[in-house]
Amino acid sequence: DTAVSQTPKYLVTQMGNDKSIKCEQNLGHDTMYWYKQDSKKFLKIMFSYNNKELIINETVPNRFSPKSPDKAHLNLHINSLELGDSAVYFCASSLQGLAGELFFGEGSRLTVL
Amino acid sequence: DAKTTQPPSMDCAEGRAANLPCNHSTISGNEYVYWYRQIHSQGPQYIIHGLKNNETNEMASLIITEDRKSSTLILPHATLRDTAVYYCIVRVAGTSYDKVIFGPGTSLSVIP
Repeated sequence: DTAVSQTPKYLVTQMGNDKSIKCEQNLGHDTMYWYKQDSKKFLKIMFSYNNKELIINETVPNRFSPKSPDKAHLNLHINSLELGDSAVYFCASSLQGLAGELFFGEGSRLTVL
Repeated sequence: DAKTTQPPSMDCAEGRAANLPCNHSTISGNEYVYWYRQIHSQGPQYIIHGLKNNETNEMASLIITEDRKSSTLILPHATLRDTAVYYCIVRVAGTSYDKVIFGPGTSLSVIP
């Protein structure tokens, strides 16, 4: 069973479109995240969501909006896509406890044309 | 900026030990050292973590210096499948990862 799953794995779309990436975790974790990994391979956190508290990285444009229908799901919606949004987006989850390993999904590669 | 610094790349012969260093000279007393790796195109994967004692699991060993300002991840018998980018990060135990910054990591190439 996949611990953190995200769909779609690949997404190709035109500039200006709106798209969503879905994420689900079956680990019972209390915190979920979205990360962006661009062409330079830097892994940057975009959002974290814990018990209905959303923490936003201030550098993320407001075209990006996370939506969490419940503790096991954190979806990413992107409005008015731009060329610079092309990247691999990773969903992750963790427990707040001492161990607190971060579990990542396999990534969603977004290409904006 | 990330609180850790690592060499950008390293090579290791297959079957030999891979020793990956990490500097975290500003680490706080309540911060743990974690190691993750990212095999090409996959999501990063947890390897090991520690506070001040050396740690070992089925994947690797973690050696933390007594002053905790640096650490070394050891893969005892590197295989080709260990070729990946290795990230060293620090994190306060019991908190979320929203303040954790991943640096560029070390790209390890295991050579046949």
